[in-house]
Amino acid sequence: DAKTTQPTSMDCAEGRAANLPCNHSTISGNEYVYWYRQIHSQGPQYIIHGLKNNETNEMASLIITEDRKSSTLILPHATLRDTAVYYCIVSPSSNDYKLSFGAGTTVTVRA
Amino acid sequence: DGGITQSPKYLFRKEGQNVTLSCEQNLNHDAMYWYRQDPGQGLRLIYYSQIVNDFQKGDIAEGYSVSREKKESFPLTVTSAQKNPTAFYLCASSIQGPTGELFFGEGSRLTVL
Repeated sequence: DAKTTQPTSMDCAEGRAANLPCNHSTISGNEYVYWYRQIHSQGPQYIIHGLKNNETNEMASLIITEDRKSSTLILPHATLRDTAVYYCIVSPSSNDYKLSFGAGTTVTVRA
Repeated sequence: DGGITQSPKYLFRKEGQNVTLSCEQNLNHDAMYWYRQDPGQGLRLIYYSQIVNDFQKGDIAEGYSVSREKKESFPLTVTSAQKNPTAFYLCASSIQGPTGELFFGEGSRLTVL
């Protein structure tokens, strides 16, 4: 069963911020939220992850709500190369390696 | 450069034939994974291995087999028992298992004729 819920698709204007929501209402206290993206016909690429605090790296920012039931991935200045499928996943416990990816959000950045 | 190498990138086979997909990593990762992806779908876990000489079934293991004789290698065999083998297959590895970042290969696209 998918542990996260994401919109199927969204469009974004080039140069604007893209805000990708993810719902993970059943997340446990020791589970991390991970984001990956997959450009067409390539392997997924890690973007960012977090537990409780907001995180930022050179690719994106991750905002996690205080109750940890949802999060938002922010691409600050979307480019055409950011067009991809974005996956939000919750990592299982350290003894459970069955890491599943749902269908993700197809993000299309338009010029 | 360190990374995961999958081969072949494209593969065609006739019905009833077994085929083996290669996955090699030089990242010194303990855990390795095989996923299947169908058009417009997410990734489904086929098999995973936490350490050498150990592997476990994922969500859709029927019709597939794996081995983990070396830390660097985790080949996947698609057997004739797999009813719908045409798909995109992705191999991944991680240093700490599911709580660590997954590194993916570029995938192998299998088409059954």
